[in-house]
Amino acid sequence: QVQLVDSGGGVVQPGRSLRLSCAASGFTFRNYGMHWVRQAPGKGLEWVAVIWYDGSNKYYADSVKDRFTISRDNSKNTLHLQMNSLRAEDTAVYYCVRDRSNAYFDYWGQGTLVTVSS
Amino acid sequence: SYELTQPPSVSVSPGQTARITCSADALPKQYTYWYQQRPGQAPVLVIYKDSERPSGIPERFSGSSSGTTVTLTISGVQAEDEADYYCQSPDSSGTYRIFGGGTKLSVL
Repeated sequence: QVQLVDSGGGVVQPGRSLRLSCAASGFTFRNYGMHWVRQAPGKGLEWVAVIWYDGSNKYYADSVKDRFTISRDNSKNTLHLQMNSLRAEDTAVYYCVRDRSNAYFDYWGQGTLVTVSS
Repeated sequence: SYELTQPPSVSVSPGQTARITCSADALPKQYTYWYQQRPGQAPVLVIYKDSERPSGIPERFSGSSSGTTVTLTISGVQAEDEADYYCQSPDSSGTYRIFGGGTKLSVL
């Protein structure tokens, strides 16, 4: 069965960096685009970034552009999100999500909490 | 930009029908997808392409579309349906993903 396991969250000071990872299993990872979606405490869902199945294209929400970098290793079935220059407003649960039909999300990880605080 | 607007909250009694709307602010309207999120859990897809139901989702969940508004209907609401519901669409380029603000369904 499809499994996405998010990891790497924690408490980090403003301005510092953090790298999230997502381990995928149960499907052919290299055939699917992948996303990161986040949810601030008590708030709604916010799309963060997408990477195409082969890593050839990457797109970001304006709120994270030039600070976050999405990447993948198809040989290790792993998705990453490198987060630099973190701000308090980046505090959220971050979900790794599988793309379906270049339109929606069909499988979600369990999420990993990132807290940006001094 | 493409924006989706949902009511913040909807309340129904058990056994009644709940309707949650999602209005797009631009044409052409993209297909809309609905997710259920129970407290402390990851979202789950309940409707795709406006009105299609994934396998494993109860038949009481249905979707419809009229103009720029899509509606998620839950017939015979049960206590377990109490959750937040989010609509989502790709933007017109198909590159970005847009979420509505979410609707909290309360089962009184």
